[in-house]
Amino acid sequence: DAKTTQPPSMDCAEGRAANLPCNHSTISGNEYVYWYRQIHSQGPQYIIHGLKNNETNEMASLIITEDRKSSTLILPHATLRDTAVYYCIVRALVGGGSNYKLTFGKGTLLTVNP
Amino acid sequence: NAGVTQTPKFQVLKTGQSMTLQCAQDMNHEYMSWYRQDPGMGLRLIHYSVGAGITDQGEVPNGYNVSRSTTEDFPLRLLSAAPSQTSVYFCASFPAVSGNTIYFGEGSWLTVV
Repeated sequence: DAKTTQPPSMDCAEGRAANLPCNHSTISGNEYVYWYRQIHSQGPQYIIHGLKNNETNEMASLIITEDRKSSTLILPHATLRDTAVYYCIVRALVGGGSNYKLTFGKGTLLTVNP
Repeated sequence: NAGVTQTPKFQVLKTGQSMTLQCAQDMNHEYMSWYRQDPGMGLRLIHYSVGAGITDQGEVPNGYNVSRSTTEDFPLRLLSAAPSQTSVYFCASFPAVSGNTIYFGEGSWLTVV
């Protein structure tokens, strides 16, 4: 399975952009990169996902490098409510065919400071 | 459309007791999974299913059984609860097609004393 590597923690000032990196150097060509976040032991919340192109939605932007070995999640104007653990996940292919399982890293604890 | 529903939300068990955590989804998703999360750690895969009648083990399957008799339901059974199984459990579901969103339940807090 493609593994992901994220820094264990990051800080960001409120109102500034938060840039969260993720390394997935063993990603395969048909695997997607997903970002989720988890606020205080609630169920993980979907943020964004992408394959090779940069993506943007109302919550965040996802920048994927051309070689697809790393990506960056950007929260453009971080608020205190964005304090959470952010998970970068690669949708892995197991056993060929259409079998999938999710592989979670340990995530990055983003703390947004006032 | 309720998404992924887990029950119970909280449960206290005595060592050796058995119980079942329920997970149901109403989105007709093929794939369903169970994760556990221990304090300060990420999610670890217990079991997963790629369709009705098909299940497989994840990273930490010992002490747990699953079945998938219908597309909608994926119960997780603790056969003989141990204190090491004290954790928060999350169920997830997603469709088979690549690139689709993964949905998580809100979690089940289990304490084994």
